[in-house]
Amino acid sequence: GAGVSQSPRYKVAKRGQDVALRCDPISGHVSLFWYQQALGQGPEFLTYFQNEAQLDKSGLPSDRFFAERPEGSVSTLKIQRTQQEDSAVYLCATRDRVTEAFFGQGTRLTVV
Amino acid sequence: SQQGEEDPQALSIQEGENATMNCSYKTSINNLQWYRQNSGRGLVHLILIRSNEREKHSGRLRVTLDTSKKSSSLLITASRAADTASYFCATAPGYNQGGKLIFGQGTELSVKP
Repeated sequence: GAGVSQSPRYKVAKRGQDVALRCDPISGHVSLFWYQQALGQGPEFLTYFQNEAQLDKSGLPSDRFFAERPEGSVSTLKIQRTQQEDSAVYLCATRDRVTEAFFGQGTRLTVV
Repeated sequence: SQQGEEDPQALSIQEGENATMNCSYKTSINNLQWYRQNSGRGLVHLILIRSNEREKHSGRLRVTLDTSKKSSSLLITASRAADTASYFCATAPGYNQGGKLIFGQGTELSVKP
């Protein structure tokens, strides 16, 4: 596609519910990043893939957060047993070896 | 945790005026980038300056980098109402981290027509 596509754009989850957020990268982009952006703050790094390999997951806040990119293209960020503090915008970004990162529009997660 | 600190946190100016935003960071970097974010939308890359560069221009944007002070500034000249957005600086760490970015907290710019 022309850009990074994220779905859903908005998600309301009840506390304790599991959610899955999807990122469709720009075709051919090797690197994929997930960021979490709380209201009024800058994005914070969660995890990074190079192709299907998850090379850095140091930013995942707890073991309730899990990300995968099984075929080196589409990625899914899963949050289990959601808590209110998980409410944020989740941003996906991809890049190839020479360009800057291109961001998707994000998924706004609200946990009620 | 976020590395960058930006000031001001909010800036309100009239159309046609210049806007200057500052960013400070803590560790060594490969490069520093500036992004814009309109309300409710994704981040758009504006400009990248490498650690061995001191100044860079792109259209109405001018970025400076002072690695000795670990600081950068973004100047938008002749601002327009359409420049209203949040602006973030982001650093790429000096050690190889695959290109992950560490963002500041942002400056919210409001340009009044």
